[in-house]
Amino acid sequence: DQQVKQNSPSLSVQEGRISILNCDYTNSMFDYFLWYKKYPAEGPTFLISISSIKDKNEDGRFTVFLNKSAKHLSLHIVPSQPGDSAVYFCAASAPGTYKYIFGTGTRLKVLA
Amino acid sequence: GAGVSQTPSNKVTEKGKYVELRCDPISGHTALYWYRQSLGQGPEFLIYFQGTGAADDSGLPNDRFFAVRPEGSVSTLKIQRTERGDSAVYLCASSSQGSYNEQFFGPGTRLTVL
Repeated sequence: DQQVKQNSPSLSVQEGRISILNCDYTNSMFDYFLWYKKYPAEGPTFLISISSIKDKNEDGRFTVFLNKSAKHLSLHIVPSQPGDSAVYFCAASAPGTYKYIFGTGTRLKVLA
Repeated sequence: GAGVSQTPSNKVTEKGKYVELRCDPISGHTALYWYRQSLGQGPEFLIYFQGTGAADDSGLPNDRFFAVRPEGSVSTLKIQRTERGDSAVYLCASSSQGSYNEQFFGPGTRLTVL
């Protein structure tokens, strides 16, 4: 039972354009969501998070949008840069728990 | 400062053997987590420590897996009677508190069971 789903295994975007990565979840108890970026042979690196009391959080080129009614969140990267090429994981946690439930990841390739 | 470190970076073992994987969290972080990442999957939660005690071990797949954190800092994940299905990257993460604080991940230990 995959509670966090990233249905696009890969995405290619031209440098300078917007990258949009999507994530869906099934557990309505989730109240905290995160995006992690992972380069090969490295551990995941925290990118941005959002609490369920918000619908948007922005940090530089990265913005996360949360649609609770649709149980959907997305990560926007604008403008995309070649260094953004990595695997992006969406994760969620529920109140009173400390573990993250991760999606399967989306491999982003930004073309120069 | 130093991040989360894990040793060894790679471990190859034979089916049925015992292995230990070590995690050194960021200094001062009280919370420590173990995750397992199989090929093509996201990290999967195994166990969470708050201080020395395992606060949640619901992700350990069976009793062949065990983890300790005796002094509230370094943690060791122990796998007995390894099976080929245990092959994965084992990730450790730490955070300054439990919930709602960013987890910092180490580079992982790639375990291969032949």
